[in-house]
Amino acid sequence: DQQVKQNSPSLSVQEGRISILNCDYTNSMFDYFLWYKKYPAEGPTFLISISSIKDKNEDGRFTVFLNKSAKHLSLHIVPSQPGDSAVYFCAASPGAQKLVFGQGTRLTINP
Amino acid sequence: DVKVTQSSRYLVKRTGEKVFLECVQDMDHENMFWYRQDPGLGLRLIYFSYDVKMKEKGDIPEGYSVSREKKERFSLILESASTNQTSMYLCASHSRDRAGQPQHFGDGTRLSIL
Repeated sequence: DQQVKQNSPSLSVQEGRISILNCDYTNSMFDYFLWYKKYPAEGPTFLISISSIKDKNEDGRFTVFLNKSAKHLSLHIVPSQPGDSAVYFCAASPGAQKLVFGQGTRLTINP
Repeated sequence: DVKVTQSSRYLVKRTGEKVFLECVQDMDHENMFWYRQDPGLGLRLIYFSYDVKMKEKGDIPEGYSVSREKKERFSLILESASTNQTSMYLCASHSRDRAGQPQHFGDGTRLSIL
């Protein structure tokens, strides 16, 4: 049973435009959500997080939105840059300890 | 900066061998985790540990065991390697006492079982 789902395996966006990555979850006990970015042959690096008491968190070009009623979160990257090309994983946690990851979305930024 | 170091970047072993993957973190974190990453499946938790000599099964523990004799070191053991254990293995650490802090990952070990 996949508790965290990223339904788009890949996404292609033109440089300078907005990238929107989506994630759905089923467990209402999740109260902490994160996005990680992963380049080939490297470990995932933390990008941005949000707790369930908020509906938006912003850090530079990255914004995460949380819709608790829909059990949906999204990551917005604007403007998209070539260095943003990577695999993005969303993750969720009950209590900010153990994480459950989605399948990942491969983002490609085209020049 | 948190540093999580995995002993090998690439490893090739044979079916039936006992395989050890080592992970060391330098931030005195209580929690340590082992995941495997496979295409289309994301990261799946194999085992985790909340303290020295403590371990708990994750979502896919079959065929694996772990050891945590020191706080900074967490080892993953493939008791008798099989070809379906060919994968990217990722170790992570996390501070239990700092709520809202993310897990920090090593660069991974790409393991091939022939």
